[in-house]
Amino acid sequence: DAKTTQPNSMESNEEEPVHLPCNHSTISGTDYIHWYRQLPSQGPEYVIHGLTSNVNNRMASLAIAEDRKSSTLILHRATLRDAAVYYCILRDYNFGNEKLTFGTGTRLTIIP
Amino acid sequence: GAGVSQSPSNKVTEKGKDVELRCDPISGHTALYWYRQSLGQGLEFLIYFQGNSAPDKSGLPSDRFSAERTGGSVSTLTIQRTQQEDSAVYLCASSLRTGSCTFGSGTRLTVV
Repeated sequence: DAKTTQPNSMESNEEEPVHLPCNHSTISGTDYIHWYRQLPSQGPEYVIHGLTSNVNNRMASLAIAEDRKSSTLILHRATLRDAAVYYCILRDYNFGNEKLTFGTGTRLTIIP
Repeated sequence: GAGVSQSPSNKVTEKGKDVELRCDPISGHTALYWYRQSLGQGLEFLIYFQGNSAPDKSGLPSDRFSAERTGGSVSTLTIQRTQQEDSAVYLCASSLRTGSCTFGSGTRLTVV
């Protein structure tokens, strides 16, 4: 499985943007970049995913480097509810390889 | 239902007993995953079902663990002769084959 590398923890002030980095230098051409987050005492929830182009949705934006070896999840205006562990995962859509393999993620702390 | 439903939400069992954990995926989702998360740890992949294909059992930690998915819908994870190290939150997720995964709230298993 292609691996990702994320910082163990980050802090950000409330109402400011947050940039969560992820390195995936061994990414293959068929790997999609997925982000999930896990709030305390809950199951993970889907945030966003992309292949090559930057993506935006109501929760966040995903910026993907031109060589696809890194990506950044952007929370435009952090709230206390965004405190969670954020996981960057590579997902291969080739048949039989679709499972999500979670790493250790980045624990995001929001400072009021 | 609108989401992935897991039951029971909590289970306390004596060491050596067998337990069954149930997962009701989102209707129409062909993929179903089981993960477990020990206290303060990351998500550990257990097993993955995709349609009528043979399941990916590569994450099952021992032959005491088994899972089935009947009729392509409901899944049951069975742990035989439970041990204290089996104590964890067991999470189920479902998706379309290439869609985002929706997780249930999990079953917290405590082996005493």
